[in-house]
Amino acid sequence: GAGVSQSPRYKVAKRGQDVALRCDPISGHVSLFWYQQALGQGPEFLTYFQNEAQLDKSGLPSDRFFAERPEGSVSTLKIQRTQQEDSAVYLCASSPGLAGGLTKNIQYFGAGTRLSVL
Amino acid sequence: SQQGEEDPQALSIQEGENATMNCSYKTSINNLQWYRQNSGRGLVHLILIRSNEREKHSGRLRVTLDTSKKSSSLLITASRAADTASYFCAGGSYIPTFGRGTSLIVHP
Repeated sequence: GAGVSQSPRYKVAKRGQDVALRCDPISGHVSLFWYQQALGQGPEFLTYFQNEAQLDKSGLPSDRFFAERPEGSVSTLKIQRTQQEDSAVYLCASSPGLAGGLTKNIQYFGAGTRLSVL
Repeated sequence: SQQGEEDPQALSIQEGENATMNCSYKTSINNLQWYRQNSGRGLVHLILIRSNEREKHSGRLRVTLDTSKKSSSLLITASRAADTASYFCAGGSYIPTFGRGTSLIVHP
């Protein structure tokens, strides 16, 4: 597709359930980012990939959060044993990365997955 | 923690008026970006200004950057109802770090 695609758009989970959120970045984009956005707040950085390498995961709030990008394209954010405080919109963004010239830092966002933990 | 802080948090104006939003950031940056987010959607990139630039224009948008004060401003001229959205600044090196945003409402 032309843009970043995230699925599902909405996810309702019972507390304690595991969830997996998918991100399809723009084809050829080297960099991929996950953000968590609480209501009325800006996106908070979770983790960053350059191709398949996870270069920064300093924003992951706990060891219940895990992200992967095994083939350097599609990425999955997994949250184990979900808790109510995990309720938020999870945004994925991709950017051209090092090969992108002047546009390398511009991020292209998906519409997000809204996670509600009951 | 969030790199930028936008001011004001909320702004309500009439169509045709100009809207000015400010952003302050904490650490050194290579560039600063402004994004827009419509309700329930992802962020859309508006404009990027490099740390060695002071002002940049794109259509009805004008961005300024003052690295000595660690601040930036976004001016939207001749606003339209369709400009209603939240606006975020993002600064940083390879990972843009976002502020809390300014919620702009433009009344028709």
